[in-house]
Amino acid sequence: AQSVAQPEDQVNVAEGNPLTVKCTYSVSGNPYLFWYVQYPNRGLQFLLKYITGDNLVKGSYGFEAEFNKSQTSFHLKKPSALVSDSALYFCAVSSYSGNTPLVFGKGTRLSVIA
Amino acid sequence: NAGVTQTPKFQVLKTGQSMTLQCAQDMNHNSMYWYRQDPGMGLRLIYYSASEGTTDKGEVPNGYNVSRLNKREFSLRLESAAPSQTSVYFCASSEPPLATDTQYFGPGTRLTVL
Repeated sequence: AQSVAQPEDQVNVAEGNPLTVKCTYSVSGNPYLFWYVQYPNRGLQFLLKYITGDNLVKGSYGFEAEFNKSQTSFHLKKPSALVSDSALYFCAVSSYSGNTPLVFGKGTRLSVIA
Repeated sequence: NAGVTQTPKFQVLKTGQSMTLQCAQDMNHNSMYWYRQDPGMGLRLIYYSASEGTTDKGEVPNGYNVSRLNKREFSLRLESAAPSQTSVYFCASSEPPLATDTQYFGPGTRLTVL
């Protein structure tokens, strides 16, 4: 069975500082990893995904994530946070061995303070 | 191009009442999903339909039924609503394979069961 953990319920960062939102996963077989963002009263929006290839994945709005197989992690990062980045962020994992849908983490609320 | 649409946006039910949540997508996707989102629980999969004519249970299917009416539409039915089903419900769609494709989400239905 696949699972994903987001160890922080809330992350606070000052505007202009780098931000990191953490995600670790557990799957049998090769993992496929996703980040989604949810703004207030909206549905989830896709940010980026890792399927194969380069461990550093670049996505929308200046976000990137690094796949680390040895640490089973896929942390989301951005070099310089904006107030508009404040939202709920979800990490998700799947595995092609079962071709089953994504399993989502519980989410991390990011607050960027001006 | 509306993407994924859901109706209604808000609904209040009394315990024991029934209702159907509607979802439609205009992206010609083969796969569709129903999730519920609860505080501290993240996003949990209720049912999914990998392709027209098929449906499968997700993590939390009890108390729900689904119908894949055609390729565009995927409805979720609560036969006898319970307060535990108070939640925000999201529909999503994607192309197969389930494990690797980006999901596109609707705006959600906020359901309260009294």
